[in-house]
Amino acid sequence: GAGVSQTPSNKVTEKGKYVELRCDPISGHTALYWYRQSLGQGPEFLIYFQGTGAADDSGLPNDRFFAVRPEGSVSTLKIQRTERGDSAVYLCASSQGLAGSSYNEQFFGPGTRLTVL
Amino acid sequence: GNSVTQMEGPVTLSEEAFLTINCTYTATGYPSLFWYVQYPGEGLQLLLKATKADDKGSNKGFEATYRKETTSFHLEKGSVQVSDSAVYFCALRGFWSGANSKLTFGKGITLSVRP
Repeated sequence: GAGVSQTPSNKVTEKGKYVELRCDPISGHTALYWYRQSLGQGPEFLIYFQGTGAADDSGLPNDRFFAVRPEGSVSTLKIQRTERGDSAVYLCASSQGLAGSSYNEQFFGPGTRLTVL
Repeated sequence: GNSVTQMEGPVTLSEEAFLTINCTYTATGYPSLFWYVQYPGEGLQLLLKATKADDKGSNKGFEATYRKETTSFHLEKGSVQVSDSAVYFCALRGFWSGANSKLTFGKGITLSVRP
């Protein structure tokens, strides 16, 4: 089946603009994650959804960042008043979210490369 | 908080050489440990994992043993191939976290294997 998909693959915007990044998880996966990967760094956690609700948003850097998952499937990461420091690859991952499992593997999408000029 | 430290890279090896990529972690309790790999032009994918002390994860000829006494999870392969060229990330999930909780990643290391 299809993996996690993310659109757009690349986004170039100007400082101060608003951007939306979209993630389509694997069908049936209830858990969805957003990570941010800056150049030369590993992915850093932003937010995790279980179904429609944000179960952990402790990684969002400030209130310019917001994410939604209104129907428990597709998620949108929204960044207001973008800054040059927001430039990074934004990764989405999904997992089955099974409560009784010791670990539910996170499957990653290809990422959206955001460049803020 | 939790953290993962990987050895500095990049690493360049000749085909069939022995590979070791060091990874150490800081966390309370007994976290679960992972190695992820990112091949050129592809997304991150799970390579192997270990969920308790002394467990050995293995996949595609790669191995890593969860060493609680040294807080390490070094990745090894006896004979690397050109196709192993990729970026490798060590990661952990906290002990008190649920099965769906976030991963904490190291910086990653680029491996290049020459024919």
